[in-house]
Amino acid sequence: EVQLLESGGGLVQPGGTLRLSCAASGFSISAYAMGWVRQAPGKRLEWVSAISGSGGSLYYAASVEGRFTISRDNSKNTLHLQMTGLSAEETAIYYCVRDIGSVADHWGQGTLVTVSS
Amino acid sequence: EIVLTQSPGTLSLSPGERATLSCRASQSVNNNFVAWYRQQPGQAPRLLIYAASIRATGIPDRFSGSGSGTDFTLTISRLEPEDFALYYCQQYGNSRTFGQGTKVEI
Repeated sequence: EVQLLESGGGLVQPGGTLRLSCAASGFSISAYAMGWVRQAPGKRLEWVSAISGSGGSLYYAASVEGRFTISRDNSKNTLHLQMTGLSAEETAIYYCVRDIGSVADHWGQGTLVTVSS
Repeated sequence: EIVLTQSPGTLSLSPGERATLSCRASQSVNNNFVAWYRQQPGQAPRLLIYAASIRATGIPDRFSGSGSGTDFTLTISRLEPEDFALYYCQQYGNSRTFGQGTKVEI
């Protein structure tokens, strides 16, 4: 059974940094693209970032380009998202997803990131 | 950026009824690359349909997708209790964007 378990969310001050992790089980992430999708209160879903199976191809939403970095550790079957320069508008649930041709076919339960002073 | 507009915002129906949800794109979606997701309260979204009309693994056949170009539709032939939820469309023909959602309520 495919499972994705996010961690690393929490309260961070505006301008701060946070690193999210996603532990995958039931499949090998090396064979798949992976990504992060966020859901802010009252806003539509936003695909934040994605990384190909090899790690050689990256996608970032324009809103996070230059501030967020996605990475993967295939040996640990884990995905990461390093977030810097966070603003209050980025308060959201961050979901780890398995990316099949830019479609999210499996989702974790999400980790809440709250940006507030 | 392609903007997706879903309608109606809220659909009030009863179990066993048919639901028709619309997703309109601001420009034509390449290859009709549109997906649909269902999000039940307190849960993550779940993939229902991709490439406009292909059901994802394990999705019952009461769910069907159709459309092309800028107009796409998700139809639920007979609503089950678990179908009262939020539904989102996503296009992935040109970058990746989501609609604002349609709530199906009793």
